[in-house]
Amino acid sequence: GENVEQHPSTLSVQEGDSAVIKCTYSDSASNYFPWYKQELGKRPQLIIDIRSNVGEKKDQRIAVTLNKTAKHFSLHITETQPEDSAVYFCAASMNNAGNMLTFGGGTRLMVKP
Amino acid sequence: EAGVAQSPRYKIIEKRQSVAFWCNPISGHATLYWYQQILGQGPKLLIQFQNNGVVDDSQLPKDRFSAERLKGVDSTLKIQPAKLEDSAVYLCASSGGGQPLFGSGTQLSVL
Repeated sequence: GENVEQHPSTLSVQEGDSAVIKCTYSDSASNYFPWYKQELGKRPQLIIDIRSNVGEKKDQRIAVTLNKTAKHFSLHITETQPEDSAVYFCAASMNNAGNMLTFGGGTRLMVKP
Repeated sequence: EAGVAQSPRYKIIEKRQSVAFWCNPISGHATLYWYQQILGQGPKLLIQFQNNGVVDDSQLPKDRFSAERLKGVDSTLKIQPAKLEDSAVYLCASSGGGQPLFGSGTQLSVL
């Protein structure tokens, strides 16, 4: 089955700096890659996703890049703010619609004011 | 629209006891998922339903876990008997063909 590795497990940045979280996946058949933000004690919420026919996608301060050849994808957050502090999870799926997601282990992002 | 509803919010039991969690998906969503999220880890898919049929339950420990969605709407996940390592948040999610939307989860502590 699919295996998703996520790094780093914790990331501390100064407010205004950029943050980058990286994930690798094992199954070349995976074609859908969402990112979730989970605040303490709350549900995971989708913040951005990318499909395998696209190399990069941007939404305001967040962007995701995908390298299918290397089987890795990354989340980029620019101009970080304290409210960006949370745990971020990457995930991968083979059916392009979010079914049977395999999640990474998570990255705890701390933005220091 | 109303979100995915789960109950109870918290549950504390002793090992070897039984426990059940309930999930009501977003109205009209045919796909329902149960995920287990152990502290400090990403969610792990336990079972996926499409209407009242099971699509995938390959990671469900069937010797102690069971789940049903008899009428294709709400769903129940049961653990019998519980073990210490079952302590986790159990997340339900539903989908109407797009990305799954998660409920707030049930936090289970097994003592």
